[in-house]
Amino acid sequence: AQTVTQSQPEMSVQEAETVTLSCTYDTSESDYYLFWYKQPPSRQMILVIRQEAYKQQNATENRFSVNFQKAAKSFSLKISDSQLGDAAMYFCAYRSAAGGTSYGKLTFGQGTILTVHP
Amino acid sequence: GAGVSQSPSNKVTEKGKDVELRCDPISGHTALYWYRQRLGQGLEFLIYFQGNSAPDKSGLPSDRFSAERTGGSVSTLTIQRTQQEDSAVYLCASSLAPGIRANVLTFGAGSRLTVL
Repeated sequence: AQTVTQSQPEMSVQEAETVTLSCTYDTSESDYYLFWYKQPPSRQMILVIRQEAYKQQNATENRFSVNFQKAAKSFSLKISDSQLGDAAMYFCAYRSAAGGTSYGKLTFGQGTILTVHP
Repeated sequence: GAGVSQSPSNKVTEKGKDVELRCDPISGHTALYWYRQRLGQGLEFLIYFQGNSAPDKSGLPSDRFSAERTGGSVSTLTIQRTQQEDSAVYLCASSLAPGIRANVLTFGAGSRLTVL
């Protein structure tokens, strides 16, 4: 079974600065997807960014980018020019690209609480 | 609808009572997932529906938990004889058929259950 580990329970950053959230995962599969979701106090899970394992290029979405190291099974999220609205719980998640009964199911890490200081 | 809708938003119940939580997925989304999130924790998978059938129920914690989906749309998660350890936020997500590589889960805002 796949596991996802986020080793930083809490992180903080000054507004306008850059912060990196860590995520490692364990899998024997070669084809999969990785995600970062944001969960603000409203509880709504919001997709931040997605990476397909077969793509070597790191995904980027505006101020959000990832450092995907497939051999090391590492998937970190970098937030540049941090804003107060970035404060939330961030979850790393894994999804197999294989078929079967669990196709599409996400496996989540424990989350990292990000605080942004003005 | 435009998004995944869950009700109730908050539910407080007494130990031993039954509760029903409802999820209305995005129109056209054939896949539906239930997750449980305990306070300060990550999301635990409960059950997955494709259409009205549930190919994966492996995350349901006990036989007090059950779920159904009708008409390929609305799903209900039922917890019988609630216990205090059932207190959590129950999140529902839906997506297009999982075979699509671009498939992404869209989550609802969850139902917070408190068992006294």
